[in-house]
Amino acid sequence: DAGVIQSPRHEVTEMGQEVTLRCKPISGHDYLFWYRQTMMRGLELLIYFNNNVPIDDSGMPEDRFSAKMPNASFSTLKIQPSEPRDSAVYFCASSLGGGRTEAFFGQGTRLTVV
Amino acid sequence: AQKVTQAQTEISVVEKEDVTLDCVYETRDTTYYLFWYKQPPSGELVFLIRRNSFDEQNEISGRYSWNFQKSTSSFNFTITASQVVDSAVYFCALSEGDGANNLFFGTGTRLTVIP
Repeated sequence: DAGVIQSPRHEVTEMGQEVTLRCKPISGHDYLFWYRQTMMRGLELLIYFNNNVPIDDSGMPEDRFSAKMPNASFSTLKIQPSEPRDSAVYFCASSLGGGRTEAFFGQGTRLTVV
Repeated sequence: AQKVTQAQTEISVVEKEDVTLDCVYETRDTTYYLFWYKQPPSGELVFLIRRNSFDEQNEISGRYSWNFQKSTSSFNFTITASQVVDSAVYFCALSEGDGANNLFFGTGTRLTVIP
């Protein structure tokens, strides 16, 4: 398996624009996580899915953020409208058994909102 | 309160030295899981080890070893004979409870190995 695949690797956008980040988890993994990494807040969980169903979105910062998982092999994280404070590295991860097992991370998307 | 504390923000060692990265965690659950991840300069997060709360056996994998002590709520990571390729940020993480799925990460320790 190629591991968790995220796209794009880098995204630069203007404030107010819509941004969509994409993730393909490892095949067979039932859990998918979206994390955000910033200097100020470190690594924080935004949302996670179990069997394509969103389970906990309490980490999503505000209504401008939304995430979907239409099938077992694809998830998106959307920010609309984007703001400069959304600039961060966004990681997608997947695991077999949720918090009981190790999560495998994608290479991340570095988002810059200008 | 921080669930995972990595008090060492940055450490520099000379190649071939041993180095220990500290991790202290806080939880009220009796079932929990501890992890270490490595983030090299390229940015990805690489899984290193997982430990559950019922297994206090220390583990060795090549130059890496981990010391899990429930009595002090610590899960320390030692690199023996460090190499330049070990330079990275290392994160300790905690997942609580049998049904919880959130990974709480520490703030990371940046290790620089000087040739």
